[in-house]
Amino acid sequence: NAGVMQNPRHLVRRRGQEARLRCSPMKGHSHVYWYRQLPEEGLKFMVYLQKENIIDESGMPKERFSAEFPKEGPSILRIQQVVRGDSAAYFCASSSPNSPLHFGNGTRLTVT
Amino acid sequence: GNSVTQMEGPVTLSEEAFLTINCTYTATGYPSLFWYVQYPGEGLQLLLKATKADDKGSNKGFEATYRKETTSFHLEKGSVQVSDSAVYFCALSEGGGATNKLIFGTGTLLAVQP
Repeated sequence: NAGVMQNPRHLVRRRGQEARLRCSPMKGHSHVYWYRQLPEEGLKFMVYLQKENIIDESGMPKERFSAEFPKEGPSILRIQQVVRGDSAAYFCASSSPNSPLHFGNGTRLTVT
Repeated sequence: GNSVTQMEGPVTLSEEAFLTINCTYTATGYPSLFWYVQYPGEGLQLLLKATKADDKGSNKGFEATYRKETTSFHLEKGSVQVSDSAVYFCALSEGGGATNKLIFGTGTLLAVQP
């Protein structure tokens, strides 16, 4: 019974490139959350999605960041024109209604 | 706004020592409270939770009690093991449990030495 799967585990991008982070929720889960963990800090909420809908994106930076959770396939967090300050660990978590979150192992993005 | 404050680490203990990691929160309404654990290179795992005042969450020998009067949710374990070495995060859930939008503390690194 696979858990939340994130890929890649590590991603290196040069400044100005695009980063695409993928998340496949646990089987049966229809809710996906993305969190960002900056060095020496706790996790910060970014966005909450259900299938084909963004429910809450109050934690997303206004520019360069976008997220989707299509009807088929994984959820994607996309960062355009990356900058050094985007270097962080990005965690996806999934749940079903009224159940606790299950986290993936994260994607560690390094911008050089 | 809502926030979580937890004691800074690292916390270094010898095996079988008593553990306390302090956590206090600021919130409107009645949030649910959680402790998550993160082992190196992995994602967060739910350790325990409490959904209302005076509830005690417990798991794997860890305990925490939801104290509304002191707005605290301190994590305790009577006898730690080397395998407990990890980063521990206190968190609260906004939205009264209707969503899993969590606010996390900054994490406390626990290092247990044999």
